[in-house]
Amino acid sequence: ETGVTQSPTHLIKTRGQQVTLRCSSQSGHNTVSWYQQALGQGPQFIFQYYREEENGRGNFPPRFSGLQFPNYSSELNVNALELDDSALYLCASSLGQAEAFFGQGTRLTVV
Amino acid sequence: AQSVTQLDSQVPVFEEAPVELRCNYSSSVSVYLFWYVQYPNQGLQLLLKYLSGSTLVESINGFEAEFNKSQTSFHLRKPSVHISDTAEYFCAVTRGPSGYSTLTFGKGTMLLVSP
Repeated sequence: ETGVTQSPTHLIKTRGQQVTLRCSSQSGHNTVSWYQQALGQGPQFIFQYYREEENGRGNFPPRFSGLQFPNYSSELNVNALELDDSALYLCASSLGQAEAFFGQGTRLTVV
Repeated sequence: AQSVTQLDSQVPVFEEAPVELRCNYSSSVSVYLFWYVQYPNQGLQLLLKYLSGSTLVESINGFEAEFNKSQTSFHLRKPSVHISDTAEYFCAVTRGPSGYSTLTFGKGTMLLVSP
């Protein structure tokens, strides 16, 4: 049974660019949640996908968008990157509303 | 909506000393409570959780936390810490009993264990 994997592990982008982060959920899990963890802060909920549909969203602007695929893997897309988007992005997968398991995260730096 | 307050941003302690990391929460509905640990450059690992039943919950590596509804607290304790316990600890809450829905985290407490 594989755990939650995220790619890439590190990424540097320029302000104004677009970025796509990827998450492979744990085997058998159909729910994926994304969190943003800024330096020195706790993770903040971005959105959740359940069976390919958005199932809840935190206080993030529309330039943060996502997808979930039939195999339940997921993408987080961020358009028009801003310096404040620099953070660790965490993906968590679960089976429905059961316990969530986190990936190692993607460290995004916007310069 | 729920919120979590971790009053201490850093807790320095000597090896083999006891430690308490404080967590208070606010919610208008019943909640589930969690402690996660984050080692440098890693994701979050679940340390322990309170869902229902006994208010004292324990982890496999010696940590324990007690749910106190009247004080809306879920403090994390360990009677004797090791160097390897050095990490960031996050308290989190989600509404129950609908399940492990979206988590609301505190800002974290950095536990620094020195020899």
